[in-house]
Amino acid sequence: QITLKESGPTLVKPTQTLTLTCTFSGFSLSTSGVGVGWIRQPPGKALEWLALIYWNANKRYSPSLKSRLTITKDTSRNQVVLTMTHLDPVDTATYYCAHSPPASADRNNRFDPWGQGTLVTVSS
Amino acid sequence: SYDLTQPPSVSVSPGQTASITCSGDELGNKYACWYQQKPGQSPVVVIYQDSERPSGIPERFSGSNSGNTATLTISGTQAMDEADYYCQAWDSSTVVFGGGTKLTVL
Repeated sequence: QITLKESGPTLVKPTQTLTLTCTFSGFSLSTSGVGVGWIRQPPGKALEWLALIYWNANKRYSPSLKSRLTITKDTSRNQVVLTMTHLDPVDTATYYCAHSPPASADRNNRFDPWGQGTLVTVSS
Repeated sequence: SYDLTQPPSVSVSPGQTASITCSGDELGNKYACWYQQKPGQSPVVVIYQDSERPSGIPERFSGSNSGNTATLTISGTQAMDEADYYCQAWDSSTVVFGGGTKLTVL
């Protein structure tokens, strides 16, 4: 059974840097084709994809947020970390991490399953 | 940037067929996924690679994708299917989500 859980601060001040950790079990990020992604959802709004890292350390970023995001993995600890700089109140959202099953190419990928999400509020 | 457009809301009577569309430029040349999200819960994939159904997803969920439109179809809609539905595709090595559709079963 694959499970993922997000952890990090619940309240961040504007201009600060956010660091979120996704700790997972039931799969290995050393398995060919596997990935872990981050997706966020502002209260009452739609899903927005942020970043994804693959088993081979290849990374994908949202073009609109690329300059503010860094995604890394620690395979031995079964963790993926997302860092977002220059936080603003509009970054207030529930942040999810999700498993991406093995696939032969980006276009074949999906997110399954998702973690429970963690609500991050950006406010002074 | 690539956009996926969904109707904000769709209504259906119990037992009837619900269709939710997702439109994007040449979307039929990409793979579409669909996620179901109930209030207070995390999204769950119900269709991937246009028409594949993950294990555990009821057979009443089906998908298609052609031209500029992907469609999620729920046959014999049940009250438990009331939720937000999001389409998703890849474009130029980036993930794109649609704006979501609220399905109301009334």
